[in-house]
Amino acid sequence: DTAVSQTPKYLVTQMGNDKSIKCEQNLGHDTMYWYKQDSKKFLKIMFSYNNKELIINETVPNRFSPKSPDKAHLNLHINSLELGDSAVYFCASSQGTGEAQPQHFGDGTRLSIL
Amino acid sequence: DQQVKQNSPSLSVQEGRISILNCDYTNSMFDYFLWYKKYPAEGPTFLISISSIKDKNEDGRFTVFLNKSAKHLSLHIVPSQPGDSAVYFCAAKYGAAGNKLTFGGGTRVLVKP
Repeated sequence: DTAVSQTPKYLVTQMGNDKSIKCEQNLGHDTMYWYKQDSKKFLKIMFSYNNKELIINETVPNRFSPKSPDKAHLNLHINSLELGDSAVYFCASSQGTGEAQPQHFGDGTRLSIL
Repeated sequence: DQQVKQNSPSLSVQEGRISILNCDYTNSMFDYFLWYKKYPAEGPTFLISISSIKDKNEDGRFTVFLNKSAKHLSLHIVPSQPGDSAVYFCAAKYGAAGNKLTFGGGTRVLVKP
């Protein structure tokens, strides 16, 4: 019973396509996140939702659009994929945003743009 | 603009010995620090954290030390075990930014039997 699950695990697609990555957590958390790990292995936050409301929106191209249908799900839709979008995308969740609330991560989605 | 830096990309240590991982930060507003451990093809797993009002936090074999004046923290693993072989990420946050974590680039630890 995976706590934070992402699908798909691998995604290979052509430049210019539109794709979505799904994330679900069964921890009962109310806050969810998307991170991008680039080729240099840095993990950088992209978005965060608390109870379906956007609370963190880093400088991310507007081709990236998160959608939270309920507090257990946070999906990431990417339009017009570019070569630079190739990365590993991690979803995470936490109970609230207080300092003692560590984030729990999914196993990542490796996105490769051809 | 790397606000959190892990200057050692890798570390090799003998089983049973101490592993010391270092992390430096530049943003004096950071008030909470975390260490995550990551195995290949898995997501980061929370390990231990420390608030800026403390200088040490211990949990079993893991101890984190914080030196605020030097903007430096370290993670000690004693004794190191082969299962500790992984990439370790240092992360920092501050209250006004909510739960936004800023990560370092990671240190790959190899524990040799």
